Amino acid sequence: DAKTTQPNSMESNEEEPVHLPCNHSTISGTDYIHWYRQLPSQGPEYVIHGLTSNVNNRMASLAIAEDRKSSTLILHRATLRDAAVYYCILNDMRFGAGTRLTVKP
Amino acid sequence: DAGITQSPRYKITETGRQVTLMCHQTWSHSYMFWYRQDLGHGLRLIYYSAAADITDKGEVPDGYVVSRSKTENFPLTLESATRSQTSVYFCASVKLKPTEAFFGQGTRLTVV
Repeated sequence: DAKTTQPNSMESNEEEPVHLPCNHSTISGTDYIHWYRQLPSQGPEYVIHGLTSNVNNRMASLAIAEDRKSSTLILHRATLRDAAVYYCILNDMRFGAGTRLTVKP
Repeated sequence: DAGITQSPRYKITETGRQVTLMCHQTWSHSYMFWYRQDLGHGLRLIYYSAAADITDKGEVPDGYVVSRSKTENFPLTLESATRSQTSVYFCASVKLKPTEAFFGQGTRLTVV
């Protein structure tokens, strides 16, 4: 099964952009890249997903490398409410440990 | 109410007892999933279902049983609970892959 690799933790300052990386070197041609986040004491919530082209929505942007072996979730202006664990997954819906994002005021 | 709901929200049970966690979704989504999340860790896939009467194992299926006789329900049964099954359990549903998944609020299970 394809797997994803993310850094365990990252820090950001409030109102600054955050770039969260994800490696998926064995991704298949039909796999979408999905991002979810989990706020404290809550279930995961959908953030964004894409196949090849970069994607934007009200929450974030997703930049996908041309070879699709990596991607980056971009939060354009981090807020304290963005502090969460961010997960990058593929179509198999298997979550790893994710990246814990800390946002400093 | 529309959405995905899990019950109970909290459960304490004794080692060796059978316990069933319920998951209900109102959208008629095709796919449903069960995960467990141990304290301080990520989610691990237990079982999933692509449609009624179709289920398959995930990463950690041992000690668990699922069924899906109706599209909207996906119960998870621990046949003989062990302390190592103390965890928070999340259910999720997806209309069609690879669209957005919706997660329930979770069931916190403690096995004593």
